Amino acid sequence: DAKTTQPPSMDCAEGRAANLPCNHSTISGNEYVYWYRQIHSQGPQYIIHGLKNNETNEMASLIITEDRKSSTLILPHATLRDTAVYYCIVSLNNNAGNMLTFGGGTRLMVKP
Amino acid sequence: NAGVTQTPKFQVLKTGQSMTLQCAQDMNHEYMSWYRQDPGMGLRLIHYSVGAGITDQGEVPNGYNVSRSTTEDFPLRLLSAAPSQTSVYFCASSYSNRRYTEAFFGQGTRLTVV
Repeated sequence: DAKTTQPPSMDCAEGRAANLPCNHSTISGNEYVYWYRQIHSQGPQYIIHGLKNNETNEMASLIITEDRKSSTLILPHATLRDTAVYYCIVSLNNNAGNMLTFGGGTRLMVKP
Repeated sequence: NAGVTQTPKFQVLKTGQSMTLQCAQDMNHEYMSWYRQDPGMGLRLIHYSVGAGITDQGEVPNGYNVSRSTTEDFPLRLLSAAPSQTSVYFCASSYSNRRYTEAFFGQGTRLTVV
């Protein structure tokens, strides 16, 4: 699986948009971009995934550059409960032999 | 719908002891896996299973055994606990009939080996 690079930490004001970047310059054509988050040492929680197109769900939006070498997770109105470690992962199609490889992630602190 | 349930939540073992970490899911997922997370680190894959009766090794399998006799259960056995196995262990499950991996994680078992 391709490697990802994320900033180790970020701050965001409550109510503002949180934009979390991720570089994955070695991503291959059939690898998905996934985002998970881990709140206070709980089990990781799936947020969103994408292949080529931008995606949006009830939790977040995912913007993938045209060359697919980087992406941005957007939390449109961050709340204190969004304080967590956010993991950007690239992985092949759903194949249990290619289970998720977690890096260090970005620790997002949402401040009042 | 309980999702992925792990037991126990906390455990202290002495070096050399053995134990089994339990994981059960009620979503009829084919895929299940075990990860460990050391302080300040990301998760690392220990073992995984693509269905009942089928298991395989992940990134860090040494010192651990698994079996998958039913779709619902995927226990992780520590054969002879060592201090290096002090960690938080997460079990996960996911659908096999999707092209993407939406994994559901349990709440973790915090293991300390003294």
